[in-house]
Amino acid sequence: QLQLQESGPGLVKPSETLSLTCTVSGGSISSSTNYWGWIRQPPGKGLEWIGSIYYSGSTSYNPSLKRRVTISVDTSKNQFSLKVSSVTAADTAVYFCARQDIVVVVAATFLDWFDPWGQGTLVTVSS
Amino acid sequence: QSALTQPASVSGSPGQSITISCTGTSSDVGSYNLVSWYQQHPGKAPKLMIYEVTKRPSGVSNRFSGSKSGNTASLTISGLQAEDEADYYCCSYAGSSTPFGGGTKLTVL
Repeated sequence: QLQLQESGPGLVKPSETLSLTCTVSGGSISSSTNYWGWIRQPPGKGLEWIGSIYYSGSTSYNPSLKRRVTISVDTSKNQFSLKVSSVTAADTAVYFCARQDIVVVVAATFLDWFDPWGQGTLVTVSS
Repeated sequence: QSALTQPASVSGSPGQSITISCTGTSSDVGSYNLVSWYQQHPGKAPKLMIYEVTKRPSGVSNRFSGSKSGNTASLTISGLQAEDEADYYCCSYAGSSTPFGGGTKLTVL
């Protein structure tokens, strides 16, 4: 079945760029029926949607993070990636990747539910 | 501050039913039947429990059900069991974004 796995450094210095990769196995990232999303969860806090990407490269971002976030896709490696620039301690969180279903109505795309999820990876921002 | 408002906590005794609300606006919950609910146990990834307001994924107990009225979606858990104790999050399409609610901690007494 479809599985997702996050990977990347667990420690990033303040003001630097956080970079994570999500590897998809058991299915193709080039599926036309879904997007691929990043969600984060600061310690002891709730879930925050970061953004999502289609295999073609089309993206949607959380407006509050859009200025610092870039999500990209590499279909040859069945991976998609997240970059968050100018990080601070507030970016310390468990970062999850997930498949995001979509609904298409008359050429308009609506983002829907997340499933499955990766296990998550903790990224700490500290000097 | 989350775009979707959930109660911070709810509780119930085994066998009882509880309902968790998720209040949005006419720009998200009120306009789209694209509300999903997730269960998260400590240290684990969230698990999809309900999608598109009322639909239940294969393998999810029929004790979990969803509904919506106006700008508020709801998750109901009937016949509470100890294993239902977890955090629950709602999520809704909101015009090119998909914000989550702040989360609700369910305690089974």
